[in-house]
Amino acid sequence: KNEVEQSPQNLTAQEGEFITINCSYSVGISALHWLQQHPGGGIVSLFMLSSGKKKHGRLIATINIQEKHSSLHITASHPRDSAVYICAVRGPTNKLVFGAGTILRVKS
Amino acid sequence: EPEVTQTPSHQVTQMGQEVILRCVPISNHLYFYWYRQILGQKVEFLVSFYNNEISEKSEIFDDQFSVERPDGSNFTLKIRSTKLEDSAMYFCASSRPGQGPRGYTFGSGTRLTVV
Repeated sequence: KNEVEQSPQNLTAQEGEFITINCSYSVGISALHWLQQHPGGGIVSLFMLSSGKKKHGRLIATINIQEKHSSLHITASHPRDSAVYICAVRGPTNKLVFGAGTILRVKS
Repeated sequence: EPEVTQTPSHQVTQMGQEVILRCVPISNHLYFYWYRQILGQKVEFLVSFYNNEISEKSEIFDDQFSVERPDGSNFTLKIRSTKLEDSAMYFCASSRPGQGPRGYTFGSGTRLTVV
């Protein structure tokens, strides 16, 4: 069983739509990261969460520690949001364990 | 904004050759990591480095791999005798607790192709 499960694997949305990507994990964590990977391959850290909710622009990330679940929301989606969104969990040793990613395509 | 710098961006090598991938972590970060991503697969942890020694390594990180921080700024990953299956994108990362998402920063990666 994978330690980090993401859904959906693929997501196509129309510009302007509200998008939700989900992440469930099975291990104890010290923090959860949401990351963005563009076609060129580089990884950018969007959020680091250990509790509650964080917002940055049109992006919102939430985490429920008891349920071992996190969501990433994108409001008013735009074609430039098209990328792979990855959930990764960090344990006590600081290494990240990655989910498989969600491929998001936003059409204009 | 501080960045993690990786060189080269792309390296092609023949099977059996040694390669060294180079990284310059963010200067005030304390933990250093190598991850790899085989094409079409998820990112996997290879090794973490803290206080001038390996703090954790995965089962992928066998005797063919080694890491070094030779001069206090560079952090290198060496693969002694490359195999075809070592072809992947290799990411260096560095972290410092308490600095939010930017406290865990990835380089742009080195794409290693073994032929």
